[in-house]
Amino acid sequence: NAGVTQTPKFRVLKTGQSMTLLCAQDMNHEYMYWYRQDPGMGLRLIHYSVGEGTTAKGEVPDGYNVSRLKKQNFLLGLESAAPSQTSVYFCASSTRTGPPTDIQYFGAGTRLSVL
Amino acid sequence: GENVEQHPSTLSVQEGDSAVIKCTYSDSASNYFPWYKQELGKRPQLIIDIRSNVGEKKDQRIAVTLNKTAKHFSLHITETQPEDSAVYFCAASIGGSNYKLTFGKGTLLTVNP
Repeated sequence: NAGVTQTPKFRVLKTGQSMTLLCAQDMNHEYMYWYRQDPGMGLRLIHYSVGEGTTAKGEVPDGYNVSRLKKQNFLLGLESAAPSQTSVYFCASSTRTGPPTDIQYFGAGTRLSVL
Repeated sequence: GENVEQHPSTLSVQEGDSAVIKCTYSDSASNYFPWYKQELGKRPQLIIDIRSNVGEKKDQRIAVTLNKTAKHFSLHITETQPEDSAVYFCAASIGGSNYKLTFGKGTLLTVNP
């Protein structure tokens, strides 16, 4: 039982390049989330999903796209990376069919630098 | 949308002292309030949570109190130890849907031996 796994752990991009971050969870959770963490800003929600095939915008969605084709996977895409997207990205998942319910379990994070 | 204010941003205490971190929220529909601890370079992990039908919850050295009327909740750590040093985040559910959270900006707690 690995919990929430993120790949890759580190990545350096040039401005304008694209990439996809993968999040996989093995807990059969309905809900999945993508956050970004910047110094002094806490965790800000980018996009989230309440189930397979569904996605919704969070607090800071601009410049990102997501897909949830399978219940266990949640992908975050950057179509044209910008230096402002340099950040640490965390994926999380949770369930309403616990116990426990509502607790968000986080992946180890992806450190992305855009030059 | 929901706004969560967290204070202080940094807190330094001596080992054995107590530490208190306070958060206020704006959405009166919020009903789930978790606290996460993030050690340097690690992922955030839940340490305690409270729901709106409860005023206080304790788990060994940590406790959380909730005042729904005033829209604030606090984390209390007693008998602090160096391993308590970390960044602590409060969060509040958005619009009554417990699955979506707004996080505070975090408090860096340093426990000096």
